[in-house]
Amino acid sequence: EAGVAQSPRYKIIEKRQSVAFWCNPISGHATLYWYQQILGQGPKLLIQFQNNGVVDDSQLPKDRFSAERLKGVDSTLKIQPAKLEDSAVYLCASSWGGASDNEQFFGPGTRLTVL
Amino acid sequence: GEDVEQSLFLSVREGDSSVINCTYTDSSSTYLYWYKQEPGAGLQLLTYIFSNMDMKQDQRLTVLLNKKDKHLSLRIADTQTGDSAIYFCAESNFGNEKLTFGTGTRLTIIP
Repeated sequence: EAGVAQSPRYKIIEKRQSVAFWCNPISGHATLYWYQQILGQGPKLLIQFQNNGVVDDSQLPKDRFSAERLKGVDSTLKIQPAKLEDSAVYLCASSWGGASDNEQFFGPGTRLTVL
Repeated sequence: GEDVEQSLFLSVREGDSSVINCTYTDSSSTYLYWYKQEPGAGLQLLTYIFSNMDMKQDQRLTVLLNKKDKHLSLRIADTQTGDSAIYFCAESNFGNEKLTFGTGTRLTIIP
């Protein structure tokens, strides 16, 4: 079974530029998550999708971050414009969904450096 | 809101047991997890425990839960060099898949 795929693996941009990350979840997984992991900290949930609907985006900085999951499969996370404090690893995860089996499978992440 | 805390570093001699500790604040936590993160890799679920359990054992891993004190621990028996990684404690509530992670404990193995 293929795992969660993310691209790019690394990205370096200057502040005020825009950037987009892509995630392909495990086939059949209804729930998709984007986490931000700042160096030295644990991952923090940014947004959770159930199929193509948003379940939780309470910690997403909506003035600069946006995410979509068209057709309920792949997802993109965009930052526009980027700030220095956005430097982090952005992790995508997916799960089958449902309270009885909510194991989340994580991708390798995209490491973003904002200069 | 929920808060999960861990000590940042742990060093253990190869062959000894490692014990990684975690405390959490949310009394409604239903599931408690241990994830492993190796350099450049995503998070790997090691094990999890339901809040109505006190202990769970899986090969070299033993999870202990003290619900009264909101304290979770992960014991790794016969620690090997391949166990070097950052270990994250996380919690979630029944019906809500959102995970709240601790800061992670970096485990270093001393030869």
